[in-house]
Amino acid sequence: QQQVRQSPQSLTVWEGETAILNCSYEDSTFNYFPWYQQFPGEGPALLISIRSVSDKKEDGRFTIFFNKREKKLSLHITDSQPGDSATYFCAASADNTGKLTFGDGTVLTVKP
Amino acid sequence: NAGVIQTPRHKVTGKGQEATLWCEPISGHSAVFWYRQTIVQGLEFLTYFRNQAPIDDSGMPKERFSAQMPNQSHSTLKIQSTQPQDSAVYLCASSFRTGSRDTQYFGPGTRLLVL
Repeated sequence: QQQVRQSPQSLTVWEGETAILNCSYEDSTFNYFPWYQQFPGEGPALLISIRSVSDKKEDGRFTIFFNKREKKLSLHITDSQPGDSATYFCAASADNTGKLTFGDGTVLTVKP
Repeated sequence: NAGVIQTPRHKVTGKGQEATLWCEPISGHSAVFWYRQTIVQGLEFLTYFRNQAPIDDSGMPKERFSAQMPNQSHSTLKIQSTQPQDSAVYLCASSFRTGSRDTQYFGPGTRLLVL
């Protein structure tokens, strides 16, 4: 059973639109959720993260909305730019376990 | 700060040969993590060290794979008798700890191809 799920697999938006990437999880002990951005040929880069005690985290054009009851979260990218075209991974971990469990990623394409 | 350094960036080995992958963590970070990335399996955790001590190797294949961290400045992942199914991008991440949480920063990865 996959512990972290992401949808959609791929998403295309126009420049200036808001992209919404979804993530859900199974393990109720998960309490830390970082999102990573990965470009081809590079390692994942930490974009923004949230702890389960919060329901929203904002950093510039990137916002995480978190619903603990439903075990769902989403990443909103406002005013999307072609440079945002990348694969986005939702990850999760529990306190004191260290390791991250990743979803399969969403490939975002922003058309100019 | 150069970030996490991984060498080599690309490695091609023949089936049955040994491959050693190197990782230099960010200075001051207390933990090193190894992950494997493939199209089919995605990003999978392999193992990690904290303050050079092995903490969790639950993701490591039981045979042929081993990892070490002999000092705070580098970690190695060794694959003996490589097989085509070992072909993947191997990612190293280092982290600092805030409370009970690790903030992990990834290196560029080593792309291993086993022919």
